Amino acid sequence: GAVVSQHPSRVICKSGTSVKIECRSLDFQATTMFWYRQFPKQSLMLMATSNEGSKATYEQGVEKDKFLINHASLTLSTLTVTSAHPEDSSFYICSARIGQGKLPQHFGDGTRLSIL
Amino acid sequence: RKEVEQDPGPFNVPEGATVAFNCTYSNSASQSFFWYRQDCRKEPKLLMSVYSSGNEDGRFTAQLNRASQYISLLIRDSKLSDSATYLCVVTYNFNKFYFGSGTKLNVKP
Repeated sequence: GAVVSQHPSRVICKSGTSVKIECRSLDFQATTMFWYRQFPKQSLMLMATSNEGSKATYEQGVEKDKFLINHASLTLSTLTVTSAHPEDSSFYICSARIGQGKLPQHFGDGTRLSIL
Repeated sequence: RKEVEQDPGPFNVPEGATVAFNCTYSNSASQSFFWYRQDCRKEPKLLMSVYSSGNEDGRFTAQLNRASQYISLLIRDSKLSDSATYLCVVTYNFNKFYFGSGTKLNVKP
């Protein structure tokens, strides 16, 4: 069964709107979660690493004021795309690892964001 | 240079065929390797980890060649349901996972 839940799965909204995406770990605590973005026919690109109780770590080229990340609890991280524009339309996916060490990541279902 | 490179395909094969994908990685310090499967417009799902000794899971066999810095995935007796994009994933600190762009497989009846 799913170990990471992401919501909503689909968002369509007007340009200038801010959109919040939630990522929850189910039945385990995730001190670290990851946010990826995937454009059509391209690979997943890591946007930021979300750390519980501290600031997120953003990858080069990702605007932290544009993509606000909050990881307020051990089971929930949120990504807010502020003042979204059509070029922000993409597939956003979160992931988490169960425990530490040599473990793969488990992904949420993803959120398909379309900005009109 | 990309961290992980894959042939995007598509690989079009008939049912029952054997097909192999390769993936190369640039960082020799990479420590863990995985193959993920991604269906169209869905999230990636872990297919299998890749070990130096090679590992097999049913019709799927993964191999790692550290000297040449590549990993491979072999699928035997392809099924229609194997049609998907296969992502090669590499990590060297277990926090940053680097994804290949994926290899698309189409299995045809």
